[in-house]
Amino acid sequence: ILNVEQSPQSLHVQEGDSTNFTCSFPSSNFYALHWYRWETAKSPEALFVMTLNGDEKKKGRISATLNTKEGYSYLYIKGSQPEDSATYLCAFWTYIPTFGRGTSLIVHP
Amino acid sequence: EAQVTQNPRYLITVTGKKLTVTCSQNMNHEYMSWYRQDPGLGLRQIYYSMNVEVTDKGDVPEGYKVSRKEKRNFPLILESPSPNQTSLYFCASSSSTNEKLFFGSGTQLSVL
Repeated sequence: ILNVEQSPQSLHVQEGDSTNFTCSFPSSNFYALHWYRWETAKSPEALFVMTLNGDEKKKGRISATLNTKEGYSYLYIKGSQPEDSATYLCAFWTYIPTFGRGTSLIVHP
Repeated sequence: EAQVTQNPRYLITVTGKKLTVTCSQNMNHEYMSWYRQDPGLGLRQIYYSMNVEVTDKGDVPEGYKVSRKEKRNFPLILESPSPNQTSLYFCASSSSTNEKLFFGSGTQLSVL
C-alpha cells in the first residue's frame, strides 16, 4: 500500500484568512494527482486533476500546484469563507488511486 | 443529469445475512470502484473494474465480492457480513483511470 500523507490533519482559520495544505506522495510511478472536496453528509467532488510536473490549476479562490519530482502538491485557498469548510482529499494515481486521510478545514465567521 | 446512483443510503443488518449494495452510473464510464471510509483512515479501495467482466482487488477486498456484467452497474456483495465491515461505503466511476472520479451518495452500513 502506497504512502500518501496529508498535512495538517485539521485546520481552523478565520474568515478572510488564506491557507494552504500539503499532499506528499511517492515520486516514482506517477500517473496523476487528484484533489477532492468533501463536505459533511455529502460525497467527495473533484477539484483538480493534475498530471504534469509544474502543473498549476485554479478554480475561483482555490488553486493547486504539483511537483512530481519531489513528490508533493499544495492546495491554496485565498480569502477563506465559511462555505469552504470541508475535508480536502488528495488521491495519488498509479494504476489505481491511493487516497490520503484528508485535511479538515473549518472556517470561522 | 450525469450521476452515480448508489442504494441504499443506510443499512442495518445482522452478522451473516447476505446483502448487496447497488451502484449504477449513466455516463458510460469504463472505470468503476468501491471504497470504504473509516474514522481516522482515508478512503480505501475495495475492488475496481476497468471494463465489463474485468474486476480486480483493491487494498481491502477480504469479505467482499463484486461483479461487472453490464457497463453501468457495479454491485458490492457481502456474502456473510461481520461487524468489522461496519463502515461508510462509496461507489465511484470515471471515464478512464486517472480521470476525475464521480462518487455516489454513500451507504452507511451497520452490521450488528
